[in-house]
Amino acid sequence: GQNIDQPTEMTATEGAIVQINCTYQTSGFNGLFWYQQHAGEAPTFLSYNVLDGLEEKGRFSSFLSRSKGYSYLLLKELQMKDSASYLCAVQGDSGGYQKVTFGTGTKLQVIP
Amino acid sequence: GAVVSQHPSRVICKSGTSVKIECRSLDFQATTMFWYRQFPKQSLMLMATSNEGSKATYEQGVEKDKFLINHASLTLSTLTVTSAHPEDSSFYICSARVQGNTDTQYFGPGTRLTVL
Repeated sequence: GQNIDQPTEMTATEGAIVQINCTYQTSGFNGLFWYQQHAGEAPTFLSYNVLDGLEEKGRFSSFLSRSKGYSYLLLKELQMKDSASYLCAVQGDSGGYQKVTFGTGTKLQVIP
Repeated sequence: GAVVSQHPSRVICKSGTSVKIECRSLDFQATTMFWYRQFPKQSLMLMATSNEGSKATYEQGVEKDKFLINHASLTLSTLTVTSAHPEDSSFYICSARVQGNTDTQYFGPGTRLTVL
């Protein structure tokens, strides 16, 4: 099975940097995703990591350490519109087929 | 690219009726689509994996006779909630996997179902 942990809530200031951590346990790891979800909307894809290291995409960066079962999403130059839930999702082996399991999400509130 | 549409976006129905939700990949072919359910303030829970031309694979605890999935073409999967009850009220979201380097899922906008 798969187990994913991430903080429930975080608060950060506009213009600052925030790091959202995710730890996971899975068999047959095959990738880790970060999604952004605004209230009442479907998730939108942010990043995908399958190898160790940092992937940078504009204001968003995602890091993965497979040996530690650890990832983080880094948001720079925070904007008010970044207030949303951020979902960590892991693709791994489940009963012989690949399955993506979502964490419960971290609700980020950006304050002025 | 990688746009997924879902229809309807919102539906209200009476208890006991059936509701069909469509999920379409607009600019790519999706051999695999996924159906999720999300209750308020909870994360997405995978209901089933829909494979084109074959039977869907349901997650444990999801009744396949109640949640009928049909994936008749490479761009369309449908979820039918049969004999809906108030406890089926939820946000239903489909996603389609883009085959390639990232193996990423792209989500439809979701369907909010309210059963009275």
